[in-house]
Amino acid sequence: DTGVSQNPRHKITKRGQNVTFRCDPISEHNRLYWYRQTLGQGPEFLTYFQNEAQLEKSRLLSDRFSAERPKGSFSTLEIQRTEQGDSAMYLCASSLGGLQVGGELFFGEGSRLTVL
Amino acid sequence: GDSVTQMEGPVTLSEEAFLTINCTYTATGYPSLFWYVQYPGEGLQLLLKATKADDKGSNKGFEATYRKETTSFHLEKGSVQVSDSAVYFCALRDGGGSNYKLTFGKGTLLTVNP
Repeated sequence: DTGVSQNPRHKITKRGQNVTFRCDPISEHNRLYWYRQTLGQGPEFLTYFQNEAQLEKSRLLSDRFSAERPKGSFSTLEIQRTEQGDSAMYLCASSLGGLQVGGELFFGEGSRLTVL
Repeated sequence: GDSVTQMEGPVTLSEEAFLTINCTYTATGYPSLFWYVQYPGEGLQLLLKATKADDKGSNKGFEATYRKETTSFHLEKGSVQVSDSAVYFCALRDGGGSNYKLTFGKGTLLTVNP
């Protein structure tokens, strides 16, 4: 399968614990995006990488959240000191070009976080 | 800010029925508009798009026309199939030239019964 891969698919954790999600984009895609989707809502933009550079972060991304893409390939999203409000599906997407030039977003299946 | 409003779901239809899912938007400038679909257990997939007023996007029998005067991008299909059962999301990329951000609606769950 050469699509966007996310791991783990489901994570259950206790409040206050740290969690990390991994995203492996389509190999030739240089742009990578993280979105968050809560129940009954559409995906909301969190952050964006072009190669290894994090170029944009949403105000939704509090200081407990950190995302990296160290070698311009896979990315990690870490949430420190999780809160129940962090419970959501975390979606990763990648694209070959920017959206402005018609680049299409390819989404992974998501990582579902449940904070007890 | 930019926003997308979709008709409330869920929508339940019989096979071969006509489908309309309404989508209206608020945005600055001239946004590009998209419909994404999420089949059970799968990631979001681009279904169709339109980048300027009066453009019609189409794919898999689905169509949507970019109507600037009514700020709408309604999704239609003449004859739905059971395999069309999924969640459908309307989305926009703002007209300011953002090359990284899509704004999504809340999604509409479609169930097609045989």
